[in-house]
Amino acid sequence: ETGVTQTPRHLVMGMTNKKSLKCEQHLGHNAMYWYKQSAKKPLELMFVYSLEERVENNSVPSRFSPECPNSSHLFLHLHTLQPEDSALYLCASSQAEGPPLHFGNGTRLTVT
Amino acid sequence: GQQLNQSPQSMFIQEGEDVSMNCTSSSIFNTWLWYKQDPGEGPVLLIALYKAGELTSNGRLTAQFGITRKDSFLNISASIPSDVGIYFCAGQSYSGSRLTFGEGTQLTVNP
Repeated sequence: ETGVTQTPRHLVMGMTNKKSLKCEQHLGHNAMYWYKQSAKKPLELMFVYSLEERVENNSVPSRFSPECPNSSHLFLHLHTLQPEDSALYLCASSQAEGPPLHFGNGTRLTVT
Repeated sequence: GQQLNQSPQSMFIQEGEDVSMNCTSSSIFNTWLWYKQDPGEGPVLLIALYKAGELTSNGRLTAQFGITRKDSFLNISASIPSDVGIYFCAGQSYSGSRLTFGEGTQLTVNP
């Protein structure tokens, strides 16, 4: 149990599908993050929510849409993805003032 | 943007050997973190360093925050098969700034 739970663990979707990734943290943190992890590349920060407000969007395409309804839950809504979007998507949480980050086990996404 | 150079990219060692890996940057960092990622799982924090020159241990793991604040290293002593995984360094340049991650070191331990 990492304290940060992501569902689903695996997802295969077509380019025209709409799906959502879910993240829940049980650590009492007030900041949540979405990262993309591709093979042989550093972790790429996608979005940051602090105190339920989006504070960072790192030039992520609009086909990725985050949602943070409260400090414990984070979603990533996906639509019309491309095959190059296939990757491991990691959710993390922390206190608003910064690290360390605690990661979930990720969702392995495959876009066909 | 900031970059962390992590080396080596991969290591193949025998069980019982000691391991050393490091991260360097052209920029100063005020916090260094080391994570381990097992196959199919998310990164797990191993050691956090908050002060230049700090040397911190966690079991067989020892990490140091370089005195110049531009580097950090991680040592694993007497490696065992469960040490297999990817080790990431991460740095934070100032309070509130986002973490910069290295590309990872893939460690393989042969029994």
